[in-house]
Amino acid sequence: DAGITQSPRHKVTETGTPVTLRCHQTENHRYMYWYRQDPGHGLRLIHYSYGVKDTDKGEVSDGYSVSRSKTEDFLLTLESATSSQTSVYFCATADREGNQPQHFGDGTRLSIL
Amino acid sequence: ILNVEQSPQSLHVQEGDSTNFTCSFPSSNFYALHWYRWETAKSPEALFVMTLNGDEKKKGRISATLNTKEGYSYLYIKGSQPEDSATYLCAFRSNTDKLIFGTGTRLQVFP
Repeated sequence: DAGITQSPRHKVTETGTPVTLRCHQTENHRYMYWYRQDPGHGLRLIHYSYGVKDTDKGEVSDGYSVSRSKTEDFLLTLESATSSQTSVYFCATADREGNQPQHFGDGTRLSIL
Repeated sequence: ILNVEQSPQSLHVQEGDSTNFTCSFPSSNFYALHWYRWETAKSPEALFVMTLNGDEKKKGRISATLNTKEGYSYLYIKGSQPEDSATYLCAFRSNTDKLIFGTGTRLQVFP
């Protein structure tokens, strides 16, 4: 949907290691988002981007950083992974903020042991 | 943190039944209300984005209404089919914050 590719799709790693998730889009959407999905919670916003090199924090940003050097790529980095960051991560894009639908990638399942 | 609540949490219906679910959100600073359909092992897919009080949207057998003054939206499915089985998410955006998602209503339609 909307040409959004997340990589990797699955990853298992150890506590304390750095992890980078990639989101790649082919739709030239200005806005990009990283969410995490956990049982009992709705999708929660980690960070978002409103343009190249323009990013801001979301609701659950502690322990995460992002970068957007090109329109099509939005990277999410866990500098030192913790077990509480075990989750399913979704990337989304939108042409406009708020009054246009978001388009989601297929998710990355991340397990931190 | 703004609260978006969906009810019921889950719903089991027979094929052919019509059903509806509720999304409740703050009634102040309204900007937009989104509905998404999320099938198991897939990614959420947009159904509707609603921005005006009184909005009604329809896509096939699925429709939605919006009441921003009282802070609720209804999603209706007419004549449910097994392929309608999914989790239905609503998300609220205020004037001052990003999209906040509810936890969803999980619908299962039995043949």
